[in-house]
Amino acid sequence: EIVLTQSPGTLSLSPGERATLSCRASQSVSSSYLAWYQQKPGQAPRLLIYGASSRATGIPDRFSGSGSGTDFTLTISRLEPEDFAVYYCQQYGSSPRLTFGGGTKVEIK
Amino acid sequence: EVQLVESGGGLVQPGRSLRLSCAASGFTFDDYAMHWVRQAPGKGLEWVSGISWNSGSIGYADSVKGRFTISRDNAKNSLYLQMNSLRAEDTALYYCAKDREGDFWSGYPGIDYWGQGTLVTVSS
Repeated sequence: EIVLTQSPGTLSLSPGERATLSCRASQSVSSSYLAWYQQKPGQAPRLLIYGASSRATGIPDRFSGSGSGTDFTLTISRLEPEDFAVYYCQQYGSSPRLTFGGGTKVEIK
Repeated sequence: EVQLVESGGGLVQPGRSLRLSCAASGFTFDDYAMHWVRQAPGKGLEWVSGISWNSGSIGYADSVKGRFTISRDNAKNSLYLQMNSLRAEDTALYYCAKDREGDFWSGYPGIDYWGQGTLVTVSS
């Protein structure tokens, strides 16, 4: 089973700053099968990125995804107030089986 | 507008069973894979199970394999999760969720729509 490790656990930043979130896989993951989600308190998650770098419908271009193999990154170029939330990476593995990372909380500094 | 409405959650004793349902609308249900994802109180997301558009591919998390069964009825635009031998650690909000693709490894999958969830509490 592929394990996804997200870091840092918490990121304290101010609005307007750049956020860089990491997702590391225990073994190589196809870029086609790597996604990122945002979740705000009391809400269902929202798909941000699929295929490691493609933005989902309606997602602002300040969100970008990159990476390959075992290392993937979600970047928020300039944090808006509504971006403070928890972010999860997720991969589709064999069997079939999906796994989520443990999440990174982006909080207001 | 895509809508996913879960039902069937509630309080249940350990060892008992529960069946969750998800009514889907606003899209061609039988074109897409579907999933159940859960979230324990204050915890992260955990994928529970998924099923391809034609039920040809089905997967389960190790934590539920042998106890839970996912199914779908494309004629009724509905997704189900039969949960047997429930444990305290199954307590969570269960989300019904739609995939972008019909199968797990076709194209560029991702879970693009989520319901609001149904709460399952396992306690004596």
